[in-house]
Amino acid sequence: KNEVEQSPQNLTAQEGEFITINCSYSVGISALHWLQQHPGGGIVSLFMLSSGKKKHGRLIATINIQEKHSSLHITASHPRDSAVYICAVTKGAQKLVFGQGTRLTINP
Amino acid sequence: EAGVTQFPSHSVIEKGQTVTLRCDPISGHDNLYWYRRVMGKEIKFLLHFVKESKQDESGMPNNRFLAERTGGTYSTLKVQPAELEDSGVYFCASSQDRVAVRGQYFGPGTRLTVL
Repeated sequence: KNEVEQSPQNLTAQEGEFITINCSYSVGISALHWLQQHPGGGIVSLFMLSSGKKKHGRLIATINIQEKHSSLHITASHPRDSAVYICAVTKGAQKLVFGQGTRLTINP
Repeated sequence: EAGVTQFPSHSVIEKGQTVTLRCDPISGHDNLYWYRRVMGKEIKFLLHFVKESKQDESGMPNNRFLAERTGGTYSTLKVQPAELEDSGVYFCASSQDRVAVRGQYFGPGTRLTVL
């Protein structure tokens, strides 16, 4: 079993829908990261959080340290949000441990 | 400010050949990381440099992989001899802070195909 598990693995939705991607982890962490990778593109860091909630535009990330769970929400989804979303945690100093990613497709 | 760059973007080689991947971190970032995603699997950590020193190389799969960061600037990852299972996308990332407070910045990756 991976130390970081994401669900769902694949998600297809219609433009405008509210999207939730979940991430659970089984180890002690110093931070949790949400990353985005567009097809053929590099990886972009969306959020790094260790408690509470962060918001950037239509993206919201939350974390519950006690439950070892984080969610990434996208409001008013758009086809350009189609990408792979990756949850990763920092254990100890800086090494990142990654989930398998969630492939999100937003249809117009 | 230039981002993390990697070269080449793609490499196709035959089993048994040698390949060298290069990563140029963001200027001033002491921390440099190599990661790898093989087909269908999650991205996995390979190693971490702080300046020119290897801080953590626990993720290096075997002694066919050699990473260097002479002078603490760019880094190279050499695979010699390459095997079929080495195929995947190799990512490099850099960060400024000792505990990555502001996160890691990723390069576009090098897609390695071993035939």
